[in-house]
Amino acid sequence: AQKITQTQPGMFVQEKEAVTLDCTYDTSDPSYGLFWYKQPSSGEMIFLIYQGSYDQQNATEGRYSLNFQKARKSANLVISASQLGDSAMYFCAMREGLNTDKLIFGTGTRLQVFP
Amino acid sequence: NAGVTQTPKFQVLKTGQSMTLQCAQDMNHEYMSWYRQDPGMGLRLIHYSVGAGITDQGEVPNGYNVSRSTTEDFPLRLLSAAPSQTSVYFCASSYGNSLNTEAFFGQGTRLTVV
Repeated sequence: AQKITQTQPGMFVQEKEAVTLDCTYDTSDPSYGLFWYKQPSSGEMIFLIYQGSYDQQNATEGRYSLNFQKARKSANLVISASQLGDSAMYFCAMREGLNTDKLIFGTGTRLQVFP
Repeated sequence: NAGVTQTPKFQVLKTGQSMTLQCAQDMNHEYMSWYRQDPGMGLRLIHYSVGAGITDQGEVPNGYNVSRSTTEDFPLRLLSAAPSQTSVYFCASSYGNSLNTEAFFGQGTRLTVV
């Protein structure tokens, strides 16, 4: 069974609008961390935001925020005020438990921002 | 700041050839990993290391070998390349074992096996 599911292969958003990229996860470990990475066309992986399973508040980093619904096992990325430079692939990833560097990735969502 | 450096950036191999993808980090990170990225499949873990002298298999280890003789370097070896190993390879490192430890990625190596 997939541990990280991103059901939106592609999304379109107009510049300056907000967009939500979906991510659901599956784990029985009470300790886990959720990450979002951006991959522009140049190919590098850029860390955006992190949410821990014990965090009481939703994470925010500038224009990025994470809508964390633990009971639903979802960790959706919200990008506010989209910019043309936000056009990229976005990956949700999970780290389960301590003492590991292993990340499990979703299949990604390609976001296109148009003027 | 160099961060995580992968070489080469591009490589074309013939089936059956061997090669080593290099990965080096200058952040004194204990944890290092190799992932491959294929279209429509996200990144999948090949091998990882929690410190010098310690390696373990990830989700897709077949056809690849690794070793970790120093903290800085984590090379990935393809002993006999196959077309199924055509992919983009990413090396990553992180400094700790807490949940919120961010993984830093190299720029990737695009490998084509013909």
